[in-house]
Amino acid sequence: DVKVTQSSRYLVKRTGEKVFLECVQDMDHENMFWYRQDPGLGLRLIYFSYDVKMKEKGDIPEGYSVSREKKERFSLILESASTNQTSMYLCASSYPGGMGRGEQFFGPGTRLTVL
Amino acid sequence: AQSVTQLGSHVSVSEGALVLLRCNYSSSVPPYLFWYVQYPNQGLQLLLKYTTGATLVKGINGFEAEFKKSETSFHLTKPSAHMSDAAEYFCAVRMGGGNTPLVFGKGTRLSVIA
Repeated sequence: DVKVTQSSRYLVKRTGEKVFLECVQDMDHENMFWYRQDPGLGLRLIYFSYDVKMKEKGDIPEGYSVSREKKERFSLILESASTNQTSMYLCASSYPGGMGRGEQFFGPGTRLTVL
Repeated sequence: AQSVTQLGSHVSVSEGALVLLRCNYSSSVPPYLFWYVQYPNQGLQLLLKYTTGATLVKGINGFEAEFKKSETSFHLTKPSAHMSDAAEYFCAVRMGGGNTPLVFGKGTRLSVIA
């Protein structure tokens, strides 16, 4: 079975702190994704990556950056956390191109609270 | 632009009743369609998917969905609701090839009343 793990289930940070959210997948997937989930807004794509050191902006990249130095690991970085970044963050991975037809496999999520 | 619309942010059914969660999409090309379920404080889990072939797709936990091209719909159904079905359900669409990400609907929260 595909396994996607996220470094923390719950995280509390202060405004202005630099925050790292880590995601690791064990299925050798090329594609990895970061979403944030908020009530009534569903899942919104922040960034995705289709190869090591490659990244693409999603719908809401402002205030975030990402890093993908190894194929299995995709990090989301909040350079200076703000209260409006309090949310559930979900990581996902998938096979490339036509393989799997785009099916994404999700981690358990990190609930981040910024005070 | 592609979009996914889930009608009803919250649906409530009695235990044993039919579950119907609606999903419509906009697309000019044949899509790949997915339903995911999310239980409280967990990630998303795939329920079922349509890629090609038979338009009626069966998934886990007794759910099924039918792809209707003429109606651009992919509604999710289950004949008899169980208390354990209470969760949030997301419809997602992938339109286009390559590494196109999925586009998700805003979700429908299903409540099951005893």
